[in-house]
Amino acid sequence: GQQLNQSPQSMFIQEGEDVSMNCTSSSIFNTWLWYKQEPGEGPVLLIALYKAGELTSNGRLTAQFGITRKDSFLNISASIPSDVGIYFCAGPLSGNTPLVFGKGTRLSVIA
Amino acid sequence: ETGVTQSPTHLIKTRGQQVTLRCSSQSGHNTVSWYQQALGQGPQFIFQYYREEENGRGNFPPRFSGLQFPNYSSELNVNALELDDSALYLCASSSRLANSYEQYFGPGTRLTVT
Repeated sequence: GQQLNQSPQSMFIQEGEDVSMNCTSSSIFNTWLWYKQEPGEGPVLLIALYKAGELTSNGRLTAQFGITRKDSFLNISASIPSDVGIYFCAGPLSGNTPLVFGKGTRLSVIA
Repeated sequence: ETGVTQSPTHLIKTRGQQVTLRCSSQSGHNTVSWYQQALGQGPQFIFQYYREEENGRGNFPPRFSGLQFPNYSSELNVNALELDDSALYLCASSSRLANSYEQYFGPGTRLTVT
């Protein structure tokens, strides 16, 4: 089953607002990945994090690898309508094992 | 650079039938993973192929099987389809040589079992 917990499950925000979401686990992860999925599409990789404490940006998106290695955060600044979608955190449990995904945070942006 | 492609886009099958889904990996990638995504859930790992052999399997029964070909493309086969097999099936490719856990997904195949 899922071992990553994402919150909030969903959020409705006004265009231009900043967004924060997080992902927690009871297990330690050495890599955190953030994906965005739009309707009818596969997940698209947004940001990859490889070191505890690491802060990485991709345009208006910023993600952080938590110091405890059990959490990660994704922030979106100045949201726009095309930010709408489901944001998933994911990570490999160990070694070359495939990815474990959270259940996602559904983001809706009101223009 | 060519991304991950999957076929078909949509498929409707009857319970008990068999289905084959196909995936072409991103150029330069040698590893293919298959995931099942039920409505409202995150993707669940089915299995992974590397060097044409299964390299890890999730909690799925043996009626889910796969193949990887020399050009790194892959197939997912599901026998004796059940209603609960209705889902979006995602293929992801990655490069083990790059020592990266980053996986790149195709658009998926939407399977409906009636």
